[in-house]
Amino acid sequence: GAVVSQHPSWVICKSGTSVKIECRSLDFQATTMFWYRQFPKQSLMLMATSNEGSKATYEQGVEKDKFLINHASLTLSTLTVTSAHPEDSSFYICSASTGTSGGRTYEQYFGPGTRLTVT
Amino acid sequence: GQSLEQPSEVTAVEGAIVQINCTYQTSGFYGLSWYQQHDGGAPTFLSYNALDGLEETGRFSSFLSRSDSYGYLLLQELQMKDSASYFCAVRDQGDYKLSFGAGTTVTVRA
Repeated sequence: GAVVSQHPSWVICKSGTSVKIECRSLDFQATTMFWYRQFPKQSLMLMATSNEGSKATYEQGVEKDKFLINHASLTLSTLTVTSAHPEDSSFYICSASTGTSGGRTYEQYFGPGTRLTVT
Repeated sequence: GQSLEQPSEVTAVEGAIVQINCTYQTSGFYGLSWYQQHDGGAPTFLSYNALDGLEETGRFSSFLSRSDSYGYLLLQELQMKDSASYFCAVRDQGDYKLSFGAGTTVTVRA
């Protein structure tokens, strides 16, 4: 159980174009999904938190107009990198959680990641 | 904000025991998690401590001391497949966001 998928697993795009990355929870309903970015040999940096049916909450320094997040259902969240530039090249990882209930916080389950290269 | 410190690298031989320490400074604290990540892969959950003490899961154990803002991951009977990056992560109290440490690269030699 608790499987999270991402699509595509890797993508190469030209500078100025937009790329959409999908994150799906396959066997559970994810109240909350998180989007992270990871540069080589570095840690995971949280970009935004998305809750189904509401606007995403972005971390400080993350441009919400550049990284569009949509959490349309309890099993799908999408991240769109708009007008991509070479500096956006990174490993993008999503995670899904069933959120909190009765004071207990549930674990995050990570997707396999999407490697984006902008040329 | 959150601040976590862990060693950047550890090298050990097969069969050895490795301890990865993690100290943290947080505005709130709900629990300390540990994740393993192989090169190019996704982080996989290893363990979680919300209360003081030792949690044992097979060859891996994790310890937490809330009063010391300190925890560690213990890898026993090291195997080559344990070569990976290991991250400690803190969950804010009342908020289920995770803040990750910089990661410790463990290299297991034959």
